[in-house]
Amino acid sequence: GQNIDQPTEMTATEGAIVQINCTYQTSGFNGLFWYQQHAGEAPTFLSYNVLDGLEEKGRFSSFLSRSKGYSYLLLKELQMKDSASYLCAALDSNYQLIWGAGTKLIIKP
Amino acid sequence: GAVVSQHPSWVICKSGTSVKIECRSLDFQATTMFWYRQFPKQSLMLMATSNEGSKATYEQGVEKDKFLINHASLTLSTLTVTSAHPEDSSFYICSATEPDRGNQPQHFGDGTRLSIL
Repeated sequence: GQNIDQPTEMTATEGAIVQINCTYQTSGFNGLFWYQQHAGEAPTFLSYNVLDGLEEKGRFSSFLSRSKGYSYLLLKELQMKDSASYLCAALDSNYQLIWGAGTKLIIKP
Repeated sequence: GAVVSQHPSWVICKSGTSVKIECRSLDFQATTMFWYRQFPKQSLMLMATSNEGSKATYEQGVEKDKFLINHASLTLSTLTVTSAHPEDSSFYICSATEPDRGNQPQHFGDGTRLSIL
């Protein structure tokens, strides 16, 4: 079956760095997405990785290892507004998105 | 670019009412749109994939006669919740993808919060 695993909840301190991990098992693979979703709002696109390695976008970076079926989202210089759920989603061979349950990130002052 | 508009944002109505939710791609043509439902503190649940000019593909367990989807143009898809009941209360979100880009992000509308009394 197809499966995405990510931690349910994480807590970090303002100004610190946090890494949210995601492992996936899919029928084929056409890339991995990270989305941010604030409470009561729709998800917004953060990143897309299809090749191994690290993609950096400002304070946010995303890493992919296809051989390990593993990705992480790295958030630096955490701000209170980064408190949100972070959704990992993998694109399978049919270009169907398989969604993780999301990681709720709580930022403390 | 790639803006998706969803309307209405909030709906409160009586049990038995039918509710229509619109999803529009404002600056691109969306051959495929997706409808999700999300209950509090849970992840997105894909309800159906809507393809312009053809019937929607529903996920297992989603009643196609209850959740009517129409994708009549390249910029508009509608979801109608027929004879809604309190258990249908949820956050409904649509998304759309730009055409001819297989590995592309889904662009989400702002969602519709549906409350059935």
